[in-house]
Amino acid sequence: GAGVSQSPSNKVTEKGKDVELRCDPISGHTALYWYRQSLGQGLEFLIYFQGNSAPDKSGLPSDRFSAERTGGSVSTLTIQRTQQEDSAVYLCASSLGYERRQPQHFGDGTRLSIL
Amino acid sequence: GENVEQHPSTLSVQEGDSAVIKCTYSDSASNYFPWYKQELGKGPQLIIDIRSNVGEKKDQRIAVTLNKTAKHFSLHITETQPEDSAVYFCAASIGGNQFYFGTGTSLTVIP
Repeated sequence: GAGVSQSPSNKVTEKGKDVELRCDPISGHTALYWYRQSLGQGLEFLIYFQGNSAPDKSGLPSDRFSAERTGGSVSTLTIQRTQQEDSAVYLCASSLGYERRQPQHFGDGTRLSIL
Repeated sequence: GENVEQHPSTLSVQEGDSAVIKCTYSDSASNYFPWYKQELGKGPQLIIDIRSNVGEKKDQRIAVTLNKTAKHFSLHITETQPEDSAVYFCAASIGGNQFYFGTGTSLTVIP
């Protein structure tokens, strides 16, 4: 498709389980971002990938969170030993990224619920 | 780091009236200011953006103004329609990877 694709759209899991969230960016976009959006809140930056550069992980809330981007395209966000406070919508965005101030294009997110 | 504040948090207007949402930012180095519209169950969608070398930008019923001296920018929606009902987010960026988002404004347009 033409837009950013995220899967699954919804995920319900038990506390303590690991989860993997997937993001397919727009073809040709070199920059990829992960955000977390809690109910009624703004967007909390998690991690940023730009081409082959080392990712900016400064927004990851704990070492239970990690992300990788394979082949400069698809990205996976992994949350280990999930906690109830991890429940949120996880949004992925991509942009052209080779020039400053490029607009971000968002996917529809993965709604994660931890029981 | 940058701090973006957005007001109001909720806004109700009658169909056909105008709606104005305001954001302030703290870092004078910020030079790019996008606005996003988020409908229920969807991701944010870019609706308009402005760069720091421009004071105003219009796109049909939507306009954004930027006051660099006061470090604030505003979204104006004229002739509002029910389909404008959504959550609107402002953001500020100094470039690179960092975007700082406001906390959102829930706009309701009453038919």
